[in-house]
Amino acid sequence: GAVVSQHPSRVICKSGTSVKIECRSLDFQATTMFWYRQFPKQSLMLMATSNEGSKATYEQGVEKDKFLINHASLTLSTLTVTSAHPEDSSFYICSALGGGTEAFFGQGTRLTVV
Amino acid sequence: KQEVTQIPAALSVPEGENLVLNCSFTDSAIYNLQWFRQDPGKGLTSLLLIQSSQREQTSGRLNASLDKSSGRSTLYIAASQPGDSATYLCAVEYGNKLVFGAGTILRVKS
Repeated sequence: GAVVSQHPSRVICKSGTSVKIECRSLDFQATTMFWYRQFPKQSLMLMATSNEGSKATYEQGVEKDKFLINHASLTLSTLTVTSAHPEDSSFYICSALGGGTEAFFGQGTRLTVV
Repeated sequence: KQEVTQIPAALSVPEGENLVLNCSFTDSAIYNLQWFRQDPGKGLTSLLLIQSSQREQTSGRLNASLDKSSGRSTLYIAASQPGDSATYLCAVEYGNKLVFGAGTILRVKS
């Protein structure tokens, strides 16, 4: 199957700093990418949907100014957690759609804000 | 290696039937197991989350079971409807990562 690479797999940052997470489709062009977040002992929840070249669509309750999503090319989407706080500590995962309907997932990023 | 397998890969049933989707995992040291639904071109919708200490979870017409010792989970859908047609994904959490199965494509015919 197609490969989606997510980087970094783990990151620890200080409170107040910003963290960028990259999601790359390695062998296909991703017209749409999804960003998810999972808090401990909770289910994976969709944060936003991004389409290449346009603004991301955020789910209700997700702050667009805090979670900046850029999908500038067909192979790369980035999620930047701005002014991170300990409550932003979570598991973030991306997925990408190619021309079909099947989505391929990155391995996820464990963010810890101290 | 931690692998998640879903059987069957595709399933077509008439409306009203009860059905079972299967998920198996090779490493039983799981944190939790989740079932998701994905509609074409859309993101995932979480259906049920089973913690490693639980044996089942129910939500409406859906029931998911977990047997860690045998490395299996099932998703039972009662009285299926055409609106249930979607891809169903099983995902197992192992500490710092989520491992997905390939999914079962379900079609419920009216």
